[in-house]
Amino acid sequence: AQTVTQSQPEMSVQEAETVTLSCTYDTSESDYYLFWYKQPPSRQMILVIRQEAYKQQNATENRFSVNFQKAAKSFSLKISDSQLGDAAMYFCAYRPYTGANSKLTFGKGITLSVRP
Amino acid sequence: SAVISQKPSRDICQRGTSLTIQCQVDSQVTMMFWYRQQPGQSLTLIATANQGSEATYESGFVIDKFPISRPNLTFSTLTVSNLSPEDSSIYLCSAAGQGHSPLHFGNGTRLTVT
Repeated sequence: AQTVTQSQPEMSVQEAETVTLSCTYDTSESDYYLFWYKQPPSRQMILVIRQEAYKQQNATENRFSVNFQKAAKSFSLKISDSQLGDAAMYFCAYRPYTGANSKLTFGKGITLSVRP
Repeated sequence: SAVISQKPSRDICQRGTSLTIQCQVDSQVTMMFWYRQQPGQSLTLIATANQGSEATYESGFVIDKFPISRPNLTFSTLTVSNLSPEDSSIYLCSAAGQGHSPLHFGNGTRLTVT
């Protein structure tokens, strides 16, 4: 069974600074997807970024980028130039590479606060 | 990407009653997923709903407590039955579009049982 581990329950960052959120996972599959979702107090789950395991290049979306280390089964999220609106709970998630029928497995999440 | 509308957004229910949550997707999707998020916790999958067949439930969740309907490719409902205070949670539906597109989520339903 796949597992996703987020060992840091909380982190804090100064506005405009950079923060990295850690995530590790365990799987026996060779092809899969990894995601970071953001959940602000509104409770809407917002997709931040995704990475396909077969791609060596790290995904980037504006201020958000990942460090994907497949051999180490590590998938960290870097947020650059942090903004107050980045304050939220962040979930790392894993999904097998079997298309629309496959489910997401989530980590426990990390609460990120941004100091003005 | 799929747009998912979920309602109600919140409800307060009495012990012993039931609540039905609706989830509407703006495009046809093969699978829809229902998650529960207890206060301050991560998301736990309740069941996977496929159109035209019975839902597949995860360990610890049973059909009698969480009946699901999936009458067509754009709509699903989750009923939480015989409510107790322990059922107070956020319930979220999700779905993926075509192929390997990522899962998107509804806005969630915050259920409080008194």
